[in-house]
Amino acid sequence: QVQLVESGGGVVQPGRSLRLSCAASGFTFSTYVMHWVRQAPGKGPEWVAVISVDGSTKYYADSVKERFTVSRDNSKNTLFLQMNSLRAGDTAVYYCARQYINSHEYYFDYWGQGILVTVSS
Amino acid sequence: DIVMTQSPDSLAVSLGERATINCKSSQSVLYSSNNKNYLAWYQQKPGQPPQLLIYWASTRESGVPDRFSGSGSGTDFTLTISSLQAEDVAVYYCQHYYSTHPTFGQGTKVEMK
Repeated sequence: QVQLVESGGGVVQPGRSLRLSCAASGFTFSTYVMHWVRQAPGKGPEWVAVISVDGSTKYYADSVKERFTVSRDNSKNTLFLQMNSLRAGDTAVYYCARQYINSHEYYFDYWGQGILVTVSS
Repeated sequence: DIVMTQSPDSLAVSLGERATINCKSSQSVLYSSNNKNYLAWYQQKPGQPPQLLIYWASTRESGVPDRFSGSGSGTDFTLTISSLQAEDVAVYYCQHYYSTHPTFGQGTKVEMK
């Protein structure tokens, strides 16, 4: 069965960095476009970033552009999110999500359980 | 970015009754070349990630009960639960995927009356 397991979250001070990982299993990771989506407490989800199957194409939300970098290692079935210059507004549960099978569109059929990132001094 | 606005923010429905959730986009999410509405609905239960219910505005995801249905076109969409069951208590979100910057609604909380 499809599994997505995030790790690397925690409490970090403003201005510092954090790297999230998402370990994928149960499907051919290298053939799927992958996304990061975050959800602040009590809010709706917010799309963060997308990466193509080979890692050559990436898009970011304006709120994280030039601070966050998405990458993937298809040999290890792992998705990453490098987060720099973190702000209080980045506090959220971060989910990795799989783009819907055989779709070129950004909707998501599987999500990880999420990992909490808290930015606070 | 396209802004998605849901109404109401919350509603309480009796067991077996109909629940209706509305979603309005700030611009049309209907792509004229293929006549498809780039709109999805998700269900989120406490402590869980969102789960895809409906895409292309009205196509039910595999395994989703047929009491869930989606309708609408252009800028106005509706998610209907025809006969509310206890397991349907959750927050529901709409999401457009018309552009490479998808956005979600703020959510509608469905509770049992």
